[in-house]
Amino acid sequence: QKEVEQNSGPLSVPEGAIASLNCTYSDRVSQSFFWYRQYSGKSPELIMSIYSNGDKEDGRFTAQLNKASQYVSLLIRDSQPSDSATYLCAGQYGNKLVFGAGTILRVKS
Amino acid sequence: DGGITQSPKYLFRKEGQNVTLSCEQNLNHDAMYWYRQDPGQGLRLIYYSQIVNDFQKGDIAEGYSVSREKKESFPLTVTSAQKNPTAFYLCASSIRGRLSNTEAFFGQGTRLTVV
Repeated sequence: QKEVEQNSGPLSVPEGAIASLNCTYSDRVSQSFFWYRQYSGKSPELIMSIYSNGDKEDGRFTAQLNKASQYVSLLIRDSQPSDSATYLCAGQYGNKLVFGAGTILRVKS
Repeated sequence: DGGITQSPKYLFRKEGQNVTLSCEQNLNHDAMYWYRQDPGQGLRLIYYSQIVNDFQKGDIAEGYSVSREKKESFPLTVTSAQKNPTAFYLCASSIRGRLSNTEAFFGQGTRLTVV
């Protein structure tokens, strides 16, 4: 099993809808998790970090961590076409930061 | 402005040639990382360093070398032993040793092409 796994998508949602992105992780990954957004041809940009069980909200973004089920999710409310990008989930594995393959999100206007 | 600077943005390498990618940060971060990204793929870890004069191999270190002589700098050399070096290379840095604050930030990347 890979340390961090994501569905590659693409996930298509209409403008204004809630986009839900999911990520699962192995036992070897610690409890620090991050969501990055990457536009085509650009470097990843950190949008959310979450360290404890539960929800963390920042503007239109909510990160959710469920340690018992070993998954972390990102909800994007009121999705906009500008949210169309690849979303990368990352977790801390010892001293390493390991990434999932990313989920492509397409928001249709 | 604080940040991570990678150079060059584009790099062309001839077969059998070694090339070095630069990564400099002025964030006072202890940890630095090099990742490789192939089209449509996630990030794969090449090397990482938690402290000056120390570094560890990641998942795909073969054909690459690094050094960490200064806290601010973590250059990556792509050697002739790397048979398929064409990729997007990303450098990142983070604070080390604080369990609740280990966010990593990326440079703008170097796109390497073999010609």
